[in-house]
Amino acid sequence: GAGVSQSPRYKVAKRGQDVALRCDPISGHVSLFWYQQALGQGPEFLTYFQNEAQLDKSGLPSDRFFAERPEGSVSTLKIQRTQQEDSAVYLCASSPGVVSDEQFFGPGTRLTVL
Amino acid sequence: SQQGEEDPQALSIQEGENATMNCSYKTSINNLQWYRQNSGRGLVHLILIRSNEREKHSGRLRVTLDTSKKSSSLLITASRAADTASYFCATDAPRTDAGGTSYGKLTFGQGTILTVHP
Repeated sequence: GAGVSQSPRYKVAKRGQDVALRCDPISGHVSLFWYQQALGQGPEFLTYFQNEAQLDKSGLPSDRFFAERPEGSVSTLKIQRTQQEDSAVYLCASSPGVVSDEQFFGPGTRLTVL
Repeated sequence: SQQGEEDPQALSIQEGENATMNCSYKTSINNLQWYRQNSGRGLVHLILIRSNEREKHSGRLRVTLDTSKKSSSLLITASRAADTASYFCATDAPRTDAGGTSYGKLTFGQGTILTVHP
């Protein structure tokens, strides 16, 4: 594809449900990032993958959050037992290499927890 | 925690005017990047300026960086209604465990909401 895609674009979950958010990065991009953006705020870093290796998960808010990228391409962010404070837009970004450079963002998944 | 802080929080101007947004940060950086976000969409990269650069241009955009003051500014000249969006600065800090290199973990500010009236 031409850019980073994310699905679903919108997700409504009842408190306590598990959700899975998918990211398809640009083909061949080594680096993949997940960010969380609360309403009216800037994005906040969650986790980073270099190919299939999760090198940094320091931003994950709790052990209810889990991310994987098993084959070094598609990534999934899973949130277990969702809480209302998890409501946010979850953004995925990829970049070609392993050093700091421009990041290409997907449109995001807006998660609403009722 | 937010590293960058944008100023002003909101800016409203007429088409054709220039728009200036400022960003301050707290720690040393490898580079500083500016992104634009239209309502309900993902972020679009505008420009990246490295810590050893002082000024950079891209089309109608001009970015300055003052590492001694830990600040940056984004100037949009001859603004258009289509420039209406939120603008974020983001910093990439060197990793102390990796000899100063970084894979690009970005710390964003809260953004400036720019409205350009036709």
